[in-house]
Amino acid sequence: DTEVTQTPKHLVMGMTNKKSLKCEQHMGHRAMYWYKQKAKKPPELMFVYSYEKLSINESVPSRFSPECPNSSLLNLHLHALQPEDSALYLCASSQDRLAGDETQYFGPGTRLLVL
Amino acid sequence: EDKVVQSPLSLVVHEGDTVTLNCSYEVTNFRSLLWYKQEKKAPTFLFMLTSSGIEKKSGRLSSILDKKELFSILNITATQTGDSAIYLCAVSNSGYALNFGKGTSLLVTP
Repeated sequence: DTEVTQTPKHLVMGMTNKKSLKCEQHMGHRAMYWYKQKAKKPPELMFVYSYEKLSINESVPSRFSPECPNSSLLNLHLHALQPEDSALYLCASSQDRLAGDETQYFGPGTRLLVL
Repeated sequence: EDKVVQSPLSLVVHEGDTVTLNCSYEVTNFRSLLWYKQEKKAPTFLFMLTSSGIEKKSGRLSSILDKKELFSILNITATQTGDSAIYLCAVSNSGYALNFGKGTSLLVTP
């Protein structure tokens, strides 16, 4: 099973709203990632969690707030977003790097539109 | 600065044709190179390559890595319309991030 699930599939929000994106995997992976992907561009890394601790924050604005409640779940809390934040938000997971296989498996994404 | 360059950026072929997609890289502390296929949603994993000269194969798709010349190719034989997608090459280094190329957009026409 190489499935990563994400909810919701689509989200429309206003600039004053607070919403959350959710990601779940049951592959026993200990690294989880958030990416942002704009149209016709490759995914851009936002955050990495390793063993439920934030390892990498790629200078992402504070209106994006990640959370890793346990090894299977990853959330992305959104607050006061801007229209330019509209994009496909992808979650991915991978084994611990010491396992020698850093293949990242992606979820289906949440397509976000900020009005 | 790490760099992953894919070529061509876009390609249109007829069903049944064979295509070769290219990925060259300059990455510090290279660990692996990965190929993904992306249709309208998430990237789907195709191959992970770590060793030079060993071909990975899955049906009509195959890929090989040359660590001396710093490139990889992805071959698709007997293309079908369902192969139409963006093919992403990504390189992993000692960090957690995947460095993605811009992708090759492949369109297979009937």
